[in-house]
Amino acid sequence: NAGVTQTPKFQVLKTGQSMTLQCAQDMNHEYMSWYRQDPGMGLRLIHYSVGAGITDQGEVPNGYNVSRSTTEDFPLRLLSAAPSQTSVYFCASSSLTGYTFGSGTRLTVV
Amino acid sequence: QQQVKQSPQSLIVQKGGISIINCAYENTAFDYFPWYQQFPGKGPALLIAIRPDVSEKKEGRFTISFNKSAKQFSLHIMDSQPGDSATYFCAARIKAAGNKLTFGGGTRVLVKP
Repeated sequence: NAGVTQTPKFQVLKTGQSMTLQCAQDMNHEYMSWYRQDPGMGLRLIHYSVGAGITDQGEVPNGYNVSRSTTEDFPLRLLSAAPSQTSVYFCASSSLTGYTFGSGTRLTVV
Repeated sequence: QQQVKQSPQSLIVQKGGISIINCAYENTAFDYFPWYQQFPGKGPALLIAIRPDVSEKKEGRFTISFNKSAKQFSLHIMDSQPGDSATYFCAARIKAAGNKLTFGGGTRVLVKP
């Protein structure tokens, strides 16, 4: 029972580089979302999806891109990494009765 | 603009004591209020949740109190144990708006033995 799988767990990027954070769920949930966690600010919503082919912006979408081609996968793309994107990123999968979070990706942009 | 405000930011309690964390919200469209527990290096895990038509919910040593008119809710951890040392987040959801969660800023709880 994998739940929500995020890869990689750790990543260091140089300013301007691009990368994709992977997220996969095996619970057949319609809803998936990406959050970033910064000290003292809780978790802030970046992008979310209510089903395959449907995505929308959250609270802090700038600098990030998403797509949802299948129910299982919801990758997050950083187009041109900036130091302000240094954070811990969590992917979540949800039904109307509960959320399941992945274990996170710790990203450092230097 | 933080839609869910959480206090305190940190809390130290003796073993056996009561930990109380408070949250306040503005948006009356929120329809589900979960609390999450997070240990270092892990993702948040659901602890307990309540709907706005209920004033209190208890699960073991954890109780949510909900005051709809004041738009406030709180988490009480009774008989706090060192294993409860973690960061706690309140959250609020609007089902009709994509099932999105809005989180409070978090409370770091330390239970001293």
